[in-house]
Amino acid sequence: DVKVTQSSRYLVKRTGEKVFLECVQDMDHENMFWYRQDPGLGLRLIYFSYDVKMKEKGDIPEGYSVSREKKERFSLILESASTNQTSMYLCASSLNSHYEQYFGPGTRLTVT
Amino acid sequence: AQTVTQSQPEMSVQEAETVTLSCTYDTSESDYYLFWYKQPPSRQMILVIRQEAYKQQNATENRFSVNFQKAAKSFSLKISDSQLGDAAMYFCAYTSMNRDDKIIFGKGTRLHILP
Repeated sequence: DVKVTQSSRYLVKRTGEKVFLECVQDMDHENMFWYRQDPGLGLRLIYFSYDVKMKEKGDIPEGYSVSREKKERFSLILESASTNQTSMYLCASSLNSHYEQYFGPGTRLTVT
Repeated sequence: AQTVTQSQPEMSVQEAETVTLSCTYDTSESDYYLFWYKQPPSRQMILVIRQEAYKQQNATENRFSVNFQKAAKSFSLKISDSQLGDAAMYFCAYTSMNRDDKIIFGKGTRLHILP
């Protein structure tokens, strides 16, 4: 079975802190994605990557950056966390766009 | 730009009954894929069903089936014999075969199963 893991289920950070969210997949998938999920807004794509060291902006990239140094790992970085970044963050991977995305369990981030 | 619309934020259905979740989408492309994903409370999102636009036959997976109307750009999910474990947030999603690899999700429908 494909497994997508995220470094933390729950995270509490202070305003202004640098935050790293890690995502690892074990199925050699080319594509990896970061979403944030907020009530009433569904899933919004932050960044995605279709190859190592490649990244593409999604719909809401402001305030975030990403890193993909290895194929299996895709990191989301909040350079200076703000309270409006309090959310559920979901990582996903897929072989390509014709196939399903496999999701991690999510990280609920609270910025105080 | 492509959009996916789920017009029902919440729905309820009696256990063992049938329920249909609506989804419409907007695209100018002819080749694409459509998905329904399920996110149970506090659990990971999983794929329920996938439909290729070039296939006229509606996809089915056990108690889950879709009604794909390409001309109307409609992709509804029917759940038969609803079970308590079907309670979840359901997301409709679209991806093009010919463009970049991102998927566009609807805002979701929360389904409650009444015992």
